Amino acid sequence: DADVTQTPRNRITKTGKRIMLECSQTKGHDRMYWYRQDPGLGLRLIYYSFDVKDINKGEISDGYSVSRQAQAKFSLSLESAIPNQTALYFCATSAGQGSFFYGYTFGSGTRLTVV
Amino acid sequence: RKEVEQDPGPFNVPEGATVAFNCTYSNSASQSFFWYRQDCRKEPKLLMSVYSSGNEDGRFTAQLNRASQYISLLIRDSKLSDSATYLCVVNTGEYGGSQGNLIFGKGTKLSVKP
Repeated sequence: DADVTQTPRNRITKTGKRIMLECSQTKGHDRMYWYRQDPGLGLRLIYYSFDVKDINKGEISDGYSVSRQAQAKFSLSLESAIPNQTALYFCATSAGQGSFFYGYTFGSGTRLTVV
Repeated sequence: RKEVEQDPGPFNVPEGATVAFNCTYSNSASQSFFWYRQDCRKEPKLLMSVYSSGNEDGRFTAQLNRASQYISLLIRDSKLSDSATYLCVVNTGEYGGSQGNLIFGKGTKLSVKP
């Protein structure tokens, strides 16, 4: 099994619908992140969490919310999806100080299309 | 100035060629550095960390120049399987600090041709 698992892998949804992307990890890492990637724009940080009680906005949090249900689970919600939220979404984890030495471990991504 | 800048490419090279990518970063307090590889529509994967003294892993060599604030990646004897996007990544946090998120460059695309 993958260390960082994202579900669903692909999703097509309609404008205005609420959708949740889920991420779970078995690495025991305390830090978790949500990114979106668009062609030509690179990875952009949406939200991050350093532990269960800590949630922080990234550079593009508008239109998104998150929930850290447990150390191993970090969900991203689009309350009312819009077409420009069509993107590839990645969850990532790091072990606190471990990010200094080892960087992040990414899930395999969720391809979201909003029509 | 953007925090991490890379030439987007694409770099189109023949098999067996040597290719080098550079990356500049703006925060002089940056503490650790990485190169990630990303295949099309796949997740980024850590290729190698970059140490002050420079480091080598097989055909790959990474170097850091703190004075000029740039990082380089050299690939020797390019293989078709090296075709991917290479992301330059910088950690601006201090070891043991409460922050330390990674900053990702937009990537340099490499295409190795037969």
